[in-house]
Amino acid sequence: AQSVTQLGSHVSVSEGALVLLRCNYSSSVPPYLFWYVQYPNQGLQLLLKYTSAATLVKGINGFEAEFKKSETSFHLTKPSAHMSDAAEYFCAVSDPIVGDMRFGAGTRLTVKP
Amino acid sequence: KAGVTQTPRYLIKTRGQQVTLSCSPISGHRSVSWYQQTPGQGLQFLFEYFSETQRNKGNFPGRFSGRQFSNSRSEMNVSTLELGDSALYLCASNSGGSEKLFFGSGTQLSVL
Repeated sequence: AQSVTQLGSHVSVSEGALVLLRCNYSSSVPPYLFWYVQYPNQGLQLLLKYTSAATLVKGINGFEAEFKKSETSFHLTKPSAHMSDAAEYFCAVSDPIVGDMRFGAGTRLTVKP
Repeated sequence: KAGVTQTPRYLIKTRGQQVTLSCSPISGHRSVSWYQQTPGQGLQFLFEYFSETQRNKGNFPGRFSGRQFSNSRSEMNVSTLELGDSALYLCASNSGGSEKLFFGSGTQLSVL
């Protein structure tokens, strides 16, 4: 069974600062990994995904994540935070064969002016 | 192409009642998954249906059930509602593989 752990339920950064949201996964098979973003009163939208191709994955809105098998991590980064990045971010893991996507508890990102 | 549609958007029920939530996936998508989102627990997987069959199931009591119709629309039912069932229920669809999910805006259920 797969699971993900997101370190830090709340992260606060200043506008223009680096964003780093941490995600560690557990999976018995090589996983697919995802980051989703949720804005208030909306469903989730896919930011980026790793599906066993390049380990550095670029997503929308300037976000990227690096798959590190040795660390079982898939941290999300953005070089310069923007006010519009304030949202809740979810890391997710999926078994490539079975599907069955499981999500972390989420990290709420606050961006201060 | 229309997105994932969930109805109703908001629901208020009392303890002991039952509720049915509806989800229409993106046209052509055969897989529908349901998730419960609460501030304390995050996103918890309920179940997934593919071609009218439950393919995966999370760790929820039997009060939570679902079904999928031949047109891929799905319903989720919760019986004997408890206060702790208050949550945002999200539906997501995809073509049936293990890649990305497309989410609806959710149904906000409040149990009083």
